[in-house]
Amino acid sequence: AQRVTQPEKLLSVFKGAPVELKCNYSYSGSPELFWYVQYSRQRLQLLLRHISRESIKGFTADLNKGETSFHLKKPFAQEEDSAMYYCALLPGTYKYIFGTGTRLKVLA
Amino acid sequence: NAGVTQTPKFRVLKTGQSMTLLCAQDMNHEYMYWYRQDPGMGLRLIHYSVGEGTTAKGEVPDGYNVSRLKKQNFLLGLESAAPSQTSVYFCASTGTSGENYEQYFGPGTRLTVT
Repeated sequence: AQRVTQPEKLLSVFKGAPVELKCNYSYSGSPELFWYVQYSRQRLQLLLRHISRESIKGFTADLNKGETSFHLKKPFAQEEDSAMYYCALLPGTYKYIFGTGTRLKVLA
Repeated sequence: NAGVTQTPKFRVLKTGQSMTLLCAQDMNHEYMYWYRQDPGMGLRLIHYSVGEGTTAKGEVPDGYNVSRLKKQNFLLGLESAAPSQTSVYFCASTGTSGENYEQYFGPGTRLTVT
């Protein structure tokens, strides 16, 4: 079955500490993977996608096909990174599969 | 461009009442989606559309109907609202040009069913 798992509902880190938001997927084909972010009282927006291999707001995510993971990382967390983060899989059709989300709280 | 807009922003219904949520996009996108967002459940797909005049069921379609009579609009209907449909509803759209599969989301509609 196609599935996205985000094991942490809440992740709290101190400002300046490294952040890693975990995402594992289940899909037998070649995946398209994304991270979306939802800041307080704002709409969801794309943070980054694996195909572009870019860094946005200091965040990076590497696709590990062996471990079927797409973890989101940032070396030094900032307070403005506090938000809800969703990992999403696009399994070859236009029907996205989202994880349950991880709320990141960056403490001062 | 306004992007994806949703109306209304908030609504309170009584059990058994009906309502329609409107989603509009001005990006000429082929694909449109309706999701519901619930604590601990993430985003779950209700229905989606791959083009004008077509709709398909998502993960949680029961109790909802949709229509896509115009390419830019995607309507979500609740015929007989139930408290279990209390949620935040998001509309999204996606284009088909190149490899840009980004989903563009609306601001959400907060629905409470009492």
